[in-house]
Amino acid sequence: AQSVTQLGSHVSVSEGALVLLRCNYSSSVPPYLFWYVQYPNQGLQLLLKYTSAATLVKGINGFEAEFKKSETSFHLTKPSAHMSDAAEYFCAVSERTGANNLFFGTGTRLTVIP
Amino acid sequence: GAGVSQSPSNKVTEKGKDVELRCDPISGHTALYWYRQSLGQGLEFLIYFQGNSAPDKSGLPSDRFSAERTGGSVSTLTIQRTQQEDSAVYLCASSLDKGTGNTIYFGEGSWLTVV
Repeated sequence: AQSVTQLGSHVSVSEGALVLLRCNYSSSVPPYLFWYVQYPNQGLQLLLKYTSAATLVKGINGFEAEFKKSETSFHLTKPSAHMSDAAEYFCAVSERTGANNLFFGTGTRLTVIP
Repeated sequence: GAGVSQSPSNKVTEKGKDVELRCDPISGHTALYWYRQSLGQGLEFLIYFQGNSAPDKSGLPSDRFSAERTGGSVSTLTIQRTQQEDSAVYLCASSLDKGTGNTIYFGEGSWLTVV
């Protein structure tokens, strides 16, 4: 079964600083990879996903993530944090065959300091 | 509707009572999922429906939990004899057919509190 590890349950950055949220997966076959964001009292919203050969994926709200097979990673970045980025971020994987089901990491709560 | 719709948005129930949570997926989506989000536990897969296939129930935590999907659209998650540890946000999601990599869209969840 797939598993996902998100390092750091809480990350704090200053407004305007780089955002880096880490995600590593465990699979011998590179899976499909996703980042979702959850704002307070809301459902999950897809930020971006990796399903093809393009290893650098751009998403909404200025976020991007790079798939690195050698590191089994899919870290999420944003060059300059905005106050509105404060939320919980979830990395998820799904297998390339079989059921289109998502396996989630435990989430990282991002705090942006003014 | 445009998105996944869930009801009720909030439910407080007494321990031992049964509850039903409803999900209306995006029109045309044949795959439907239920997840549970508990404080400090992350997102836990519960059950997955795909078209007319038998559902994948591998994530249901106990036989008190069941779900059905009528007419390939609306789904109901039922929790019998609720326990305090069932308190969580129950998220429903849907996607196009079972092709892997399809984006899964989530509803806003049903917040269940068992007192």
